[in-house]
Amino acid sequence: SAVISQKPSRDICQRGTSLTIQCQVDSQVTMMFWYRQQPGQSLTLIATANQGSEATYESGFVIDKFPISRPNLTFSTLTVSNMSPEDSSIYLCSVATSGRTYEQYFGPGTRLTVT
Amino acid sequence: SQKIEQNSEALNIQEGKTATLTCNYTNYSPAYLQWYRQDPGRGPVFLLLIRENEKEKRKERLKVTFDTTLKQSLFHITASQPADSATYLCALLSGYSSASKIIFGSGTRLSIRP
Repeated sequence: SAVISQKPSRDICQRGTSLTIQCQVDSQVTMMFWYRQQPGQSLTLIATANQGSEATYESGFVIDKFPISRPNLTFSTLTVSNMSPEDSSIYLCSVATSGRTYEQYFGPGTRLTVT
Repeated sequence: SQKIEQNSEALNIQEGKTATLTCNYTNYSPAYLQWYRQDPGRGPVFLLLIRENEKEKRKERLKVTFDTTLKQSLFHITASQPADSATYLCALLSGYSSASKIIFGSGTRLSIRP
């Protein structure tokens, strides 16, 4: 398994601003993912963070709105840009090890409120 | 479109009884089905995985069944305890490759009363 930390754990932001969420893993992992979980809803995959190349985004999510960095095998960031109240959600980082992408380990999440 | 439904938003049962949660899916042929536990303010925690060619999997007090004909999985917690109270998520994975993505259900909130 892997131990994952996220910063910040929560934040309240004003409309139009941006927030960068950090995800740190205690070991090198092949795959890192970013999810969004709105209240009472299931987790929705935003993108797969690829080390050394651009992230792969899911339908409905674009790089301009959710730029992602992954400078190495233990760290990634997700930025929520030009925020609106609809972006209020929990953002979760998860990781999977090589050859075992069916076992994902999640960070504690970042609770974002946009006013 | 692909759809995952978990039987109810909330389930409330007496301590010591068996809790049974249901996951149904449509327009999907998963290679794996998983169950996660999520506590308030925390990320999901992986519990069990069952493959498409397996009918049943057990882990301590947990049992999962997978019926690909009915397109349904049942998740059982025997001898339930208040500490089992949490939201349980069903998740499906379409393939075996690293490119496969997990699709999550919206979860069932389980409450075990003493």
